[in-house]
Amino acid sequence: DAGITQSPRHKVTETGTPVTLRCHQTENHRYMYWYRQDPGHGLRLIHYSYGVKDTDKGEVSDGYSVSRSKTEDFLLTLESATSSQTSVYFCAIIHRVYTQYFGPGTRLTVL
Amino acid sequence: AQKVTQAQTEISVVEKEDVTLDCVYETRDTTYYLFWYKQPPSGELVFLIRRNSFDEQNEISGRYSWNFQKSTSSFNFTITASQVVDSAVYFCALVPGTYKYIFGTGTRLKVLA
Repeated sequence: DAGITQSPRHKVTETGTPVTLRCHQTENHRYMYWYRQDPGHGLRLIHYSYGVKDTDKGEVSDGYSVSRSKTEDFLLTLESATSSQTSVYFCAIIHRVYTQYFGPGTRLTVL
Repeated sequence: AQKVTQAQTEISVVEKEDVTLDCVYETRDTTYYLFWYKQPPSGELVFLIRRNSFDEQNEISGRYSWNFQKSTSSFNFTITASQVVDSAVYFCALVPGTYKYIFGTGTRLKVLA
């Protein structure tokens, strides 16, 4: 257990509304990640952070923004949610030699 | 190109059979890490093993074993005497010297009682 929590765990929203997902960690890990998981695609990296206010894009970053104003929190924002962003979102941290540990996931449904 | 291929989308076996999950990777980096993760039906992602590119020793942990072969760019995972609790989706991942993971699309293993 790497002390990672995600909130909310489930969310249903409507197309066009903004949505923010939160990843919180308690062990001062430097690297944090957001992934989405969809059937047939495995896990795809959206954004990651390598320190406070230091972030970079992953392979599926369009339509998503992130912020990290303090070490323990990494926020993922969908500025205007679309149905294609219906997915399960996982947060992860690096702990011990490149090893990622994952949060419990957030199931997001955009109607 | 950096890529991980898990060609087996779904495998079904009967309990107590051995099963091997294949993972083939591509990278030009000489230093990299390979990982396996398990995702049971409950949905969490569980770390199983890490291997670095300089360590080609095979590893065994109970009923699990991993075969890393740089010559064929493969990092295969074998479960011996499978059990129903092994039913899950298994992901192979590559970290090619950066902190960006590249995941395969996963193999769903169904172990039938």
